[in-house]
Amino acid sequence: TQLLEQSPQFLSIQEGENLTVYCNSSSVFSSLQWYRQEPGEGPVLLVTVVTGGEVKKLKRLTFQFGDARKDSSLHITAAQPGDTGLYLCAGPYTGGFKTIFGAGTRLFVKA
Amino acid sequence: DTEVTQTPKHLVMGMTNKKSLKCEQHMGHRAMYWYKQKAKKPPELMFVYSYEKLSINESVPSRFSPECPNSSLLNLHLHALQPEDSALYLCASSQESRGQSGYTFGSGTRLTVV
Repeated sequence: TQLLEQSPQFLSIQEGENLTVYCNSSSVFSSLQWYRQEPGEGPVLLVTVVTGGEVKKLKRLTFQFGDARKDSSLHITAAQPGDTGLYLCAGPYTGGFKTIFGAGTRLFVKA
Repeated sequence: DTEVTQTPKHLVMGMTNKKSLKCEQHMGHRAMYWYKQKAKKPPELMFVYSYEKLSINESVPSRFSPECPNSSLLNLHLHALQPEDSALYLCASSQESRGQSGYTFGSGTRLTVV
């Protein structure tokens, strides 16, 4: 069974701090996506990583795909209150049309 | 147009009502999805349509009935729902059926069954 485990489940930090969120699996994924979801809204795709070892940057967000394509991380530099939300990692299920979602990391950035 | 549009945004219905949720995308995506999301949980897949054909039904009760009238539209017909069906219902689309490059989600319909 393909599973994605995210840690931590919840993170509350002060504005300006740095943080890293992790997404781990014992299975290989052909790609992984990161989404941010705000309350009452749908998830918004932030990035897709495809190649093992790949690093992508989106302003203050840095995404990394593990060399073995079993894990990924999201690093936020100088967090801002606008970064508050639920961060979900997801990846395609090798057996068909489904996507596996992690349980999410709930981030709260205090001003 | 890079959006998935869902209507209505909020819906309150009784257990004997019949209602429909609507979803529209004009990105030329060939796969469309219905997800259900309960509070503080990740989205759970309900249905997948690929090239307008139902590809996956994740053992969803028959009181939920999906319909794909064309490549841009996806409906979810609701009948005789239970209070535990109250949730955020999300529509999504992707360029290809396996979602390799990720999904575009709509804003969702917040459904309350009373």
